[in-house]
Amino acid sequence: DIQMTQSPSSLSASVGDRVTITCRASQGIRNDLGWYQQKPGKAPKRLIYGASNLEGGVPSRFSGSGSGTEFTLTINCLQSEDFATYYCLHHNSYPWSFGQGTKVEIK
Amino acid sequence: QVELVESGGGVVQPGRSLRLSCAASGFSFDKFGMHWVRQAPGKGLEWVAVIRYDGTEKYYADSVKGRFAISRDNFKNTLFLEMDTLRGEDTAIYYCARHGIGIGVPGASVLLDFWGQGTVVTVSS
Repeated sequence: DIQMTQSPSSLSASVGDRVTITCRASQGIRNDLGWYQQKPGKAPKRLIYGASNLEGGVPSRFSGSGSGTEFTLTINCLQSEDFATYYCLHHNSYPWSFGQGTKVEIK
Repeated sequence: QVELVESGGGVVQPGRSLRLSCAASGFSFDKFGMHWVRQAPGKGLEWVAVIRYDGTEKYYADSVKGRFAISRDNFKNTLFLEMDTLRGEDTAIYYCARHGIGIGVPGASVLLDFWGQGTVVTVSS
């Protein structure tokens, strides 16, 4: 089974900052990865698919990159509505698995 | 519009069983694979299981294999999760979610696109 290791588990940032979150796969998964945002009490929302493709309606300050085993989610110019928890999810083969999550908090 | 509504959660004793349901509407349910994802209190997301659009293939996380069974009724547009031999660590919010691409239905990615609001399962004596 493929394991996803996500880091950091949490970070503190200010509005306007640039934030980077990383996911590492235990084996190569091509670009079979996406990123989700979850706010308290809500279901997750898909932000990025295919490692780097932005979901329709998602602000362009979000971007994803990577392939194989190393993936990155970057949020440029962090906005107040971006404070949330972010998860990567691989879909290369079953069982799928999420990263452990990164909570982005206000500094 | 796509809507997924989970039900069936509650408080159950360890070792007992529970059946969750997910009622789907707003799309051709019989064309999409469906998933269950759970989230323990204060913890991250855990992928649980998937069933193919026609029910012929099913896959499970190791943590639930042999105890949980996913099924569907395409006539009633409903997804199920039968949970047996429940443990404390099964306590979580259980979400159903739609596979991002359906049979004959174009989509950007297989990644889960629509989610329900979840149903809470508490395993406790």
